[in-house]
Amino acid sequence: AQSVTQPDIHITVSEGASLELRCNYSYGATPYLFWYVQSPGQGLQLLLKYFSGDTLVQGIKGFEAEFKRSQSSFNLRKPSVHWSDAAEYFCAVGTPGAGSYQLTFGKGTKLSVIP
Amino acid sequence: DVKVTQSSRYLVKRTGEKVFLECVQDMDHENMFWYRQDPGLGLRLIYFSYDVKMKEKGDIPEGYSVSREKKERFSLILESASTNQTSMYLCASSLTGGPDTQYFGPGTRLTVL
Repeated sequence: AQSVTQPDIHITVSEGASLELRCNYSYGATPYLFWYVQSPGQGLQLLLKYFSGDTLVQGIKGFEAEFKRSQSSFNLRKPSVHWSDAAEYFCAVGTPGAGSYQLTFGKGTKLSVIP
Repeated sequence: DVKVTQSSRYLVKRTGEKVFLECVQDMDHENMFWYRQDPGLGLRLIYFSYDVKMKEKGDIPEGYSVSREKKERFSLILESASTNQTSMYLCASSLTGGPDTQYFGPGTRLTVL
């Protein structure tokens, strides 16, 4: 069965510092990979997704992620963090199910930003 | 822009009550999903629907049922609410059954006393 691991429960960075959030997945076939962000009290918003092609994917808000098949990873990066990036981040893998693709989510990484 | 709305942001119910959570999407999406979100557990799929009147169980369907009578509306029903169903409930929709982006509503925080 598919699974997603986000090893870091909580990360704190200073504003302006670089950021990398880790995501490892377990799935036998070609994965469809997503990163979502959830601001406090809000629903989830898509940051970026990988289906095929270039393994470096650009997303919204200056985020990017790199798919590495050999490491089963899809890590999220941002070169310079802003205070407004404080939120919870979820990695997900899309897999086919009965009637529809489904998303399996990691448990999330909460990002705190120090001004 | 896709809009997914949920009927309530906060809801407080008593143990044993029947609870309805409503979700509406305005983009003619085929698929709709209900998740619950708990601290440290991430999002877990309860049920999803890929067409009107069609439904499939997700990972944690016990204690829940769903209804999809119209394409734009997907309801989650707690037949007899229990305290362990206190949680954040998130609805999502996607255009097709392929690996499409899921668009999420703002969530309903349900407390069962």
